[in-house]
Amino acid sequence: GDSVTQMEGPVTLSEEAFLTINCTYTATGYPSLFWYVQYPGEGLQLLLKATKADDKGSNKGFEATYRKETTSFHLEKGSVQVSDSAVYFCALIQNFNKFYFGSGTKLNVKP
Amino acid sequence: DTEVTQTPKHLVMGMTNKKSLKCEQHMGHRAMYWYKQKAKKPPELMFVYSYEKLSINESVPSRFSPECPNSSLLNLHLHALQPEDSALYLCASSQDETQILLYEQYFGPGTRLTVT
Repeated sequence: GDSVTQMEGPVTLSEEAFLTINCTYTATGYPSLFWYVQYPGEGLQLLLKATKADDKGSNKGFEATYRKETTSFHLEKGSVQVSDSAVYFCALIQNFNKFYFGSGTKLNVKP
Repeated sequence: DTEVTQTPKHLVMGMTNKKSLKCEQHMGHRAMYWYKQKAKKPPELMFVYSYEKLSINESVPSRFSPECPNSSLLNLHLHALQPEDSALYLCASSQDETQILLYEQYFGPGTRLTVT
């Protein structure tokens, strides 16, 4: 069945470091892919999305490219800030009805 | 206003209690969702309401009973819960269930439920 696999956390970085959080997926057909962020004590917020192969989603300095050949949607940011500390969820949706979330990756950014 | 509100923020209840969680949005969204999130796990879909009708029930035990009294409100009635039901319960809404790719899901902050 459909599933999403994310790298285990926590990921600890210093401010201004480069961030990569890996996400791979298993799906039949052509899913759409998402990154959600959950700040402490809050609900999930959509960070970016890509609906077809080779699409690049971007928002707030974060980017992810839908790679069909490697079934991946890795999240990247060139220079992280302390305020980026949160849990990041990769997700896919297929057939317009249900999200499949990855297990989440906690990011800690130190000053 | 792109806010989904949930009350209460925290709830502690015994296994024989009856309580309700509330969710409200004023964005004119016609789809509303309940998710359950255990610690360090991703959210799991429980129910979807579309145009105030239940459209998806992910085989949730009957001790959880959803209700959508109008297009802005979504309740989750709780009765005879078990300690393993302790979790963060998230509500979300979107403009239309069938256009999920076009319309973002907006999540509330959640209700932290502890069953003793």
